[in-house]
Amino acid sequence: DTGVSQDPRHKITKRGQNVTFRCDPISEHNRLYWYRQTLGQGPEFLTYFQNEAQLEKSRLLSDRFSAERPKGSFSTLEIQRTEQGDSAMYLCASSLDGMSNQPQHFGDGTRLSIL
Amino acid sequence: AQKITQTQPGMFVQEKEAVTLDCTYDTSDQSYGLFWYKQPSSGEMIFLIYQGSYDEQNATEGRYSLNFQKARKSANLVISASQLGDSAMYFCAMREGKTGGFKTIFGAGTRLFVKA
Repeated sequence: DTGVSQDPRHKITKRGQNVTFRCDPISEHNRLYWYRQTLGQGPEFLTYFQNEAQLEKSRLLSDRFSAERPKGSFSTLEIQRTEQGDSAMYLCASSLDGMSNQPQHFGDGTRLSIL
Repeated sequence: AQKITQTQPGMFVQEKEAVTLDCTYDTSDQSYGLFWYKQPSSGEMIFLIYQGSYDEQNATEGRYSLNFQKARKSANLVISASQLGDSAMYFCAMREGKTGGFKTIFGAGTRLFVKA
């Protein structure tokens, strides 16, 4: 069990640029989640996948955000035309499918800073 | 409507004493799960304890216990014998059932400071 890994750990970019983050979940986990966390707040749900299917998207997820999990393994989160308000920590988590008592295991996050 | 409420932005506790972190929740689902996570200053989210809505006994994990009062919709975390390393943010979270889409939502957190 190597845990959930996220890449990159930090991303600094200029407003208006596109960015893409990657998440590799724990290998046997079917579910994969993306959250956004701003300073002093709890993680806000963005979207989640069961295998390769994206089952729910938050209203927070504007059309500039897109997430994929093409083969049911790793996932990418892309933000197009970044804005100052996108600066946050983006957390990925994974869990076993269908087990309500299974906690989500989190990666260390990608910290995005928009200049 | 806010579904997870943590009313204590910050808490102080003396080392070796017990502390209770409050959490109330709101859901129309009959089946749901409640979780507590710890987030140290290093940023990683660490799972602490789980309570299922149908569990009759309060969950315990080492020094952590969950005071589950279903009628009041509260799921308070009790940390016994506090240690300096317990200083961190603590988040209460709820995974709703089918009507909630099985997603997990988090409270705003409580920052715990353990004093030597």
